[in-house]
Amino acid sequence: ILNVEQSPQSLHVQEGDSTNFTCSFPSSNFYALHWYRWETAKSPEALFVMTLNGDEKKKGRISATLNTKEGYSYLYIKGSQPEDSATYLCAFWDTGNQFYFGTGTSLTVIP
Amino acid sequence: DVKVTQSSRYLVKRTGEKVFLECVQDMDHENMFWYRQDPGLGLRLIYFSYDVKMKEKGDIPEGYSVSREKKERFSLILESASTNQTSMYLCASSFRGRVRGQYFGPGTRLTVT
Repeated sequence: ILNVEQSPQSLHVQEGDSTNFTCSFPSSNFYALHWYRWETAKSPEALFVMTLNGDEKKKGRISATLNTKEGYSYLYIKGSQPEDSATYLCAFWDTGNQFYFGTGTSLTVIP
Repeated sequence: DVKVTQSSRYLVKRTGEKVFLECVQDMDHENMFWYRQDPGLGLRLIYFSYDVKMKEKGDIPEGYSVSREKKERFSLILESASTNQTSMYLCASSFRGRVRGQYFGPGTRLTVT
């Protein structure tokens, strides 16, 4: 089982603050990196799928970057809102068609 | 909208019972997945399937089996339920390949007593 780590484990920010968190994964045998948002009492929802080193994706106030050479991806949220409160999961796919989820970063945005 | 449905939201079973968890998707997805989610452990893959009658073991297949007789339906079977299988079970589906995001069902909270 590969090591996909997310940090921090949890985060509390004030409404309006910008924040970011990290997904670290093995830099070898990389194929794709997925980000998901999982709100309480709902199902995980796909945010981004990233495949190329240097990829940047954006969806509203949320964006993500990818560095496959060093094995990390950052997720940024600009001007956090209470509705951004959720657990953010990353999933690493390798070239052998195996994939692994990180344990997530739990974000709480305080109004 | 993609819809992934699971047969039950909550289920209570006794130790030793055979348990069936059903998952159905309506978007003609080739890939289907079963996960369990436990506090502090994140999502762990139990089994996945790339096509009808095809299955691959995930990280924690012990104590589970699966069945995929039709493209839209993927069943998770607990042959003899045990208390350590008390968990939240999530089903997901996606189009073929590793660059398509997965769509998740609402989850089944299984309690084994």
